[in-house]
This record gives sequence, structure tokens and C-alpha cells, in this order.
Amino acid sequence: GQSLEQPSEVTAVEGAIVQINCTYQTSGFYGLSWYQQHDGGAPTFLSYNALDGLEETGRFSSFLSRSDSYGYLLLQELQMKDSASYFCAVSDDSWGKFQFGAGTQVVVTP
Amino acid sequence: EAQVTQNPRYLITVTGKKLTVTCSQNMNHEYMSWYRQDPGLGLRQIYYSMNVEVTDKGDVPEGYKVSRKEKRNFPLILESPSPNQTSLYFCASRLTNGDTQYFGPGTRLTVL
Repeated sequence: GQSLEQPSEVTAVEGAIVQINCTYQTSGFYGLSWYQQHDGGAPTFLSYNALDGLEETGRFSSFLSRSDSYGYLLLQELQMKDSASYFCAVSDDSWGKFQFGAGTQVVVTP
Repeated sequence: EAQVTQNPRYLITVTGKKLTVTCSQNMNHEYMSWYRQDPGLGLRQIYYSMNVEVTDKGDVPEGYKVSRKEKRNFPLILESPSPNQTSLYFCASRLTNGDTQYFGPGTRLTVL
């Protein structure tokens, strides 16, 4: 089976940097994904790591260390619109079965 | 417009009354999946399909059925709904080797 842990909530001010950690235990691993979900909305894809290292997409970056079963999402230059829930997700070797973390609520204050 | 659609968006029903939630995508994606979302539990995968006529169980398949007769459609069937299936349901799709799952708008189901 698989399990993921991420913090339940993070609060930061506009313009700050936030790091959301995700640790996982899996019986098989294909990659680590990150999704954003605003209240009442559908999850939207942010980033994906299959290999160790940093992936950068604009203000968002994601990191993976397969040997440590650990990854993080870095949100830079925080904006009010970044207030949302962020989920990490891992897939097993088939790239079909997914498990999501419980989500991290990011609250951005003025 | 490329999208995943779900119907209905909201449904209130009673225990034991069979229902189907439809999911359709227009992106020619091979992979489709159903999730349920409950407070504090994140998204939990119910069933997924790697392609037409190929379906597999996710983490919480009990009480649900699916079928994949056509590439674009992946309906979720609750043969005898119970109150513990009250939840927010999301359908998603992606290309076989794609890293991005595209989610539908969600179906809020209440079983009384």
C-alpha cells in the first residue's frame, strides 16, 4: 500500500515563500505529482517529478528525492490567489493507481 | 474546448436507489479515473481505466461499479447507495503517458 504525509495548514504573507513537504511510503513508485484546489473547484495539475531533482514552472517549483521518499512544492512570490489546498500524489509502477495526500491548506494574508 | 464533464453536478437520493454519474472527456485520453473527496481525507481513488474495456480497482472500490465501453465515457454506478457514499466525486482523464490528470467539475452526492 501507499501512504502520504503533508502538513495540514500553512499561513504566509503576500510575497513570501512557502514550502510544502510531502513524505510517502509506497510499495511501488512511478512519480510524485502536485495539484492545487480552490474552494469548491476541481483539482488542477501543477507539477510532476519522476526523477530526483528540481522542476521549475514559473513561481512554482517541485523537488523529489526518491532515496528519501520525500518531495516538496515551493511557492514563491505568494499572491492572494494562491490561497488554496495543495495535494501531493504518488502513483505505483503501473502509472494507473494513485494515492493523494490529505492536502495542505495555504492561507495567504495581506 | 478540451474538457471533462460530469453529470449530474448535484444529486440528492435515498438509500438503495440505483444511480449513475456520467463522465465524458473530449481529449481522446486513454486513461480515466474516479475519485471521491471527503473532508480531511483528500482524494481517494475508486476505480481507474487504462483504456477501453480495461478497468482496475483503486483504494476504495466497495459499493461502486464502472464500465469503459467507449474511450470518451467512464460512468460510475452505485447499485445500492448508502449514506456513507455521501461525498464529492471527481472524474479525471489523461493521456497514457501524460503527467497531467484533467479533472471534471465534480458531483456532489448526498444519500439520505
